[in-house]
Amino acid sequence: EIVLTQSPATLSVSPGERATLSCRASQSISSSLAWYQQKPGQAPRLLVYGASTRATGFPARFSASGSGTEFTLTISSLQSEDFAFYYCQQYNNWPLTFGGGTKVEIK
Amino acid sequence: EVQLLESGGALVQPGGSLTLSCAASGFSFSIHAMNWVRQAPGKGLEWVSVISGSGNSIYYADSVKGRFTISRDNSKNTLYLQMNSLRAEDTAVYYCAKGPHWPNNYFDDWGQGTLATVSS
Repeated sequence: EIVLTQSPATLSVSPGERATLSCRASQSISSSLAWYQQKPGQAPRLLVYGASTRATGFPARFSASGSGTEFTLTISSLQSEDFAFYYCQQYNNWPLTFGGGTKVEIK
Repeated sequence: EVQLLESGGALVQPGGSLTLSCAASGFSFSIHAMNWVRQAPGKGLEWVSVISGSGNSIYYADSVKGRFTISRDNSKNTLYLQMNSLRAEDTAVYYCAKGPHWPNNYFDDWGQGTLATVSS
């Protein structure tokens, strides 16, 4: 099973600042990585797929990169609506697995 | 507009059974893989199972293999999850999630979830 390790677990950021989230895979997953945003009481929402392709509805301040085992999600200038949980997910191997999540909170 | 509506969540005793349903609309149901993903209270996301559009390919997480059965009825645009031998650790919100196109098994649309509680 591929283990995804997200860091940090919690990221405290002021509005307007940059946030950088990390997802590390226990073995290479090529570019088969997705990111999701989840707000309290809501279902997750696809944010990025193919490691770097932004999903419909998310603004350009969200960017993602990486391949192999190291992946990054960057939010260039945090807005109030961006404070949420973020999860990475690999789809290169069975079983599909998620990282433990990063909570982005207001500093 | 894609809509996924889960139902069937309930309180059930350990060892009991439950069947979840997910009614889909707004897309060609029969050509998309469908998944169940769960989230225990206050915890992260855990993928449970996937079924291909035709139903010919099915995979499960080790934690539910042998106890849960995923199925679909393409004539009714409905996904199911039959859960047997339920344990306390199966308590979670269960989300129905649509896949884009096999073998790209990420989740591009999600339902709002249904809560299954296993407790005596």
